[in-house]
Amino acid sequence: AQSVTQLDSHVSVSEGTPVLLRCNYSSSYSPSLFWYVQHPNKGLQLLLKYTSAATLVKGINGFEAEFKKSETSFHLTKPSAHMSDAAEYFCVVSEGSARQLTFGSGTQLTVLP
Amino acid sequence: DAEITQSPRHKITETGRQVTLACHQTWNHNNMFWYRQDLGHGLRLIHYSYGVHDTNKGEVSDGYSVSRSNTEDLPLTLESAASSQTSVYFCASSDLAWDTQYFGPGTRLTVL
Repeated sequence: AQSVTQLDSHVSVSEGTPVLLRCNYSSSYSPSLFWYVQHPNKGLQLLLKYTSAATLVKGINGFEAEFKKSETSFHLTKPSAHMSDAAEYFCVVSEGSARQLTFGSGTQLTVLP
Repeated sequence: DAEITQSPRHKITETGRQVTLACHQTWNHNNMFWYRQDLGHGLRLIHYSYGVHDTNKGEVSDGYSVSRSNTEDLPLTLESAASSQTSVYFCASSDLAWDTQYFGPGTRLTVL
């Protein structure tokens, strides 16, 4: 069975400082992993995905994530936060056998001026 | 450009009424999904479909139904709306069932 845990429900950073959103997953097989972003009153948008190619995945808007199998983690990072990054972020896991996505409970990112 | 749309965007209804939320996609995807989003719960899967005439129950399917008569549409019906169904509902579609899903803008439903 697949599951995903986002370790922080809220993260607050100052503009221009690094962002780290943490995600651990559980999967019986080689998973696909995703990060989605949701801005207020909007639908979800794909930031990046990992599908067993390079372990460091680059996404849109300067975000990247590293797949670490030994730690079962897929943390999302960005070197320098921008005010427009304020949103909710979801870590998502998928196994081919499950044919479904399982969403984490989300991390609300606040960016302070 | 391909897209996925939902209507209405906002709906207020009364307890006991039947409500149908529309979802239409022009990606030509076989796979379509309905989720509800509630504070503290992330997104929970209600129903999903892997193709025309195929429907499956998700994690929170009680009180909801779907039907798939064509590739483009997956309407979600609340047979008898309850206050516990007040939520934001998202429709999504994908080419492969375990791969990237594309989301609609959501429908905010309030049941009074």
